[in-house]
Amino acid sequence: QKEVEQNSGPLSVPEGAIASLNCTYSDRGSQSFFWYRQYSGKSPELIMFIYSNGDKEDGRFTAQLNKASQYVSLLIRDSQPSDSATYLCAVRGAQKLVFGQGTRLTINP
Amino acid sequence: DAGVIQSPRHEVTEMGQEVTLRCKPISGHDYLFWYRQTMMRGLELLIYFNNNVPIDDSGMPEDRFSAKMPNASFSTLKIQPSEPRDSAVYFCASSRGTNTEAFFGQGTRLTVV
Repeated sequence: QKEVEQNSGPLSVPEGAIASLNCTYSDRGSQSFFWYRQYSGKSPELIMFIYSNGDKEDGRFTAQLNKASQYVSLLIRDSQPSDSATYLCAVRGAQKLVFGQGTRLTINP
Repeated sequence: DAGVIQSPRHEVTEMGQEVTLRCKPISGHDYLFWYRQTMMRGLELLIYFNNNVPIDDSGMPEDRFSAKMPNASFSTLKIQPSEPRDSAVYFCASSRGTNTEAFFGQGTRLTVV
């Protein structure tokens, strides 16, 4: 079982709609959770982090965490073509930082 | 701050040659991570250091791979001898403290022919 699992996609969403990205993790001791965005040919960049169960909102982005179900999600509202990228879920158990395979998201104008 | 700095940005080498990748973490960061990214396997954690000490190298694929961190501002990842299947983008990232986000360098695109 992989430590962090994501649907690799591709996920195609029309412009203006909500994009929903999901991630599960195996280590119940994980303490911090991150979403990174990676454009083609570029390095990953942080867009959201969440430490506690529930929702965390930042502009058009909402991260959701359910530790009991070992599940993290990212919602992107009012999707824009510039949101087209690969989204990486990352999980940290204090020290080690492990990434999922990434979900490729395409926003269609 | 200049961010995490990696060199070289691109490396093309022949099979069997030694390759050394370099990384300068963000000043004040005490964790340094080395990752390898391929289409097939995604972003794999190879090794990470805390305060210059290797903590977990279980992701290093073979004995051909080695990493060092002689001081807080410099780390190397060495592959010897290199093989075509080592072709990938290698990222270095650093973070301050536990449970915090990591910041990535621009990566080194390695091609072994």
